[in-house]
Amino acid sequence: AQTVTQSQPEMSVQEAETVTLSCTYDTSESNYYLFWYKQPPSRQMILVIRQEAYKQQNATENRFSVNFQKAAKSFSLKISDSQLGDTAMYFCAFMNPYSGAGSYQLTFGKGTKLSVIP
Amino acid sequence: DTAVSQTPKYLVTQMGNDKSIKCEQNLGHDTMYWYKQDSKKFLKIMFSYNNKELIINETVPNRFSPKSPDKAHLNLHINSLELGDSAVYFCASSLAGYSSSRYEQYFGPGTRLTVT
Repeated sequence: AQTVTQSQPEMSVQEAETVTLSCTYDTSESNYYLFWYKQPPSRQMILVIRQEAYKQQNATENRFSVNFQKAAKSFSLKISDSQLGDTAMYFCAFMNPYSGAGSYQLTFGKGTKLSVIP
Repeated sequence: DTAVSQTPKYLVTQMGNDKSIKCEQNLGHDTMYWYKQDSKKFLKIMFSYNNKELIINETVPNRFSPKSPDKAHLNLHINSLELGDSAVYFCASSLAGYSSSRYEQYFGPGTRLTVT
C-alpha cells in the first residue's frame, strides 16, 4: 500500500516570502499522480497543483510550484510571494490510476499547517 | 453554480440514530467518493463509486453505505451512529478518461457530523 509522509506538522512564513512544504511517498509503481490540496479555515478542500509521474517537468500554477524528485520519491510544494490567504492546511496526496479496482482513490499525508504572518 | 454540494453542512445527532448525507455534483464527472476527516485532520477514503463499481475501503464499518440514485449523486447513509463516527465527511468527484484534468478530484464543502 502506498504511504504519504509530511514531516512538517506546522510551518510559518512571513508575508511575501517563499516557503517550501515537504512530502515524501512510498510506492513500487512507476506511473502515478501526485497532488497538493489546500484546506483553509473554511474547511473547503482546494486543489492546488497536480504532477504526473511520467513528466519530468515540474508543475507550476502561478505562485505555486513543485519540486518532483521521482527517484527520491519526493514531492515538495513551493509557495512564492506568500499571501495571508495562503494560511491553510496543505495536504500532499498520491494516486495510482493504473492499479485496478479502487485506483482512483487518493491517499493523503497528515498535512502541514501553514501560517502566513503579516 | 456550486460544483460539488453537500447537505447538510452540520449534523448533530444522538448515538444509535440513522442519518444520511447527500452529495451532488454538476461537473459531469463519472466517479464519486466519500472521505472521512478525523479530529486530527487526517483524510481517509471510505468509498469510490462509478456506474460500474463500488469500491469499499475495508476498514469502513458496514453501518456505512453509499447509495447512488444517478450519476450526479452519491449519498452516504449511516446506521446506528456511534461516538467515533464524529468527523467531517467530504464528498468528491472526478473524471476518468482522457481529458487533461482527469483524476483531479473536486471536493464538496464537507459535513461536520457530531454524535452525542
